[in-house]
Amino acid sequence: GDSVTQMEGPVTLSEEAFLTINCTYTATGYPSLFWYVQYPGEGLQLLLKATKADDKGSNKGFEATYRKETTSFHLEKGSVQVSDSAVYFCALKNSNYQLIWGAGTKLIIKP
Amino acid sequence: EPEVTQTPSHQVTQMGQEVILRCVPISNHLYFYWYRQILGQKVEFLVSFYNNEISEKSEIFDDQFSVERPDGSNFTLKIRSTKLEDSAMYFCASSEEGESNQPQHFGDGTRLSIL
Repeated sequence: GDSVTQMEGPVTLSEEAFLTINCTYTATGYPSLFWYVQYPGEGLQLLLKATKADDKGSNKGFEATYRKETTSFHLEKGSVQVSDSAVYFCALKNSNYQLIWGAGTKLIIKP
Repeated sequence: EPEVTQTPSHQVTQMGQEVILRCVPISNHLYFYWYRQILGQKVEFLVSFYNNEISEKSEIFDDQFSVERPDGSNFTLKIRSTKLEDSAMYFCASSEEGESNQPQHFGDGTRLSIL
């Protein structure tokens, strides 16, 4: 069945470091791909999305490119801030329009 | 920006009791969803709802679960006889359309604790 695999956390970085959180997927067809973020004590917020191969989603300095050949959707940011500390979830929307989720990656940014 | 709202934020219930979790989706959205996240585990799809009926449901969504849109604004999840393993964070979501490129917008969740 469809699945999403994310790198395990926590990922701990210093402020202004470069961030990559890996995400790979297995799916039939051509799913849409999403990154959601959950800040402490809050709900799931859409961060960015990509709907077809080679699309790049971007928001708040974060980017992810839909790579069909490697079935990946890695999240990147050039310079992280303490306020980026959160749990990041990669997800795909399958042919039944259900979101299939990765396990989440906790990101800790130290000043 | 319009948002999905969920109440209560935390619900504590005795095992065997019925519980109703409430959600107000974004007003012009037509598709509604419930997901849950057991502590330390992945977010899991429970059910999707469109045009006043269930469109998809997972294996988790057994006879103990039901959903309803009792009026034009609320969308509820009922668990008839709660079990300890129902303890989880429950998220409601809505989207304008069901198509794959439409994002689902989530509420802040209800933490359900079964004693």
